[in-house]
Amino acid sequence: DAGVIQSPRHEVTEMGQEVTLRCKPISGHNSLFWYRQTMMRGLELLIYFNNNVPIDDSGMPEDRFSAKMPNASFSTLKIQPSEPRDSAVYFCASSQGTGDTDTQYFGPGTRLTVL
Amino acid sequence: TQLLEQSPQFLSIQEGENLTVYCNSSSVFSSLQWYRQEPGEGPVLLVTVVTGGEVKKLKRLTFQFGDARKDSSLHITAAQPGDTGLYLCAGAWTNAGKSTFGDGTTLTVKP
Repeated sequence: DAGVIQSPRHEVTEMGQEVTLRCKPISGHNSLFWYRQTMMRGLELLIYFNNNVPIDDSGMPEDRFSAKMPNASFSTLKIQPSEPRDSAVYFCASSQGTGDTDTQYFGPGTRLTVL
Repeated sequence: TQLLEQSPQFLSIQEGENLTVYCNSSSVFSSLQWYRQEPGEGPVLLVTVVTGGEVKKLKRLTFQFGDARKDSSLHITAAQPGDTGLYLCAGAWTNAGKSTFGDGTTLTVKP
């Protein structure tokens, strides 16, 4: 069974460019989460979806960040325009539900470097 | 201010030693989870605890949820190099839909 799939695994871009990160959750999972991990701030929740609907985007840093989930098997996180402080590892995770005991399965992450 | 404080932040020990890492908060959680993350990978769930005072064992790992459900500990007996990684605790509230993660403990076990 395939786990959560993220692409690309690595992305290097220049300041001001648009960046799109992609995620395919585990089939049958109803919830999808986007996280950002840095040394300074640890693992931060950016946004999560339940049944393709954004439920909580309070962690999205600013208007430069946007996330979509057009269907149950695909989500994107877009940064436009990108800035050096956006450099981080971005993780996508999925779970069957949003219960407090549901297991979140994380993808391998996308390491983003903005020069 | 971090809602979940983990300590120590870094820990380096020799193979065979025992260790305990802590996860503390002023908030009460309905459940608490521990994850381990290896370099270049995403976190992987180790355990979920839901009852105050609960103790769960996973081979050489022992997890405890505090009586007041505000804190938790992870004890590793006879650590092995394969235990090396970043250990994260995550607290959740019923019907919140999301978890909040601690800042992690980086464990290095030297052979």
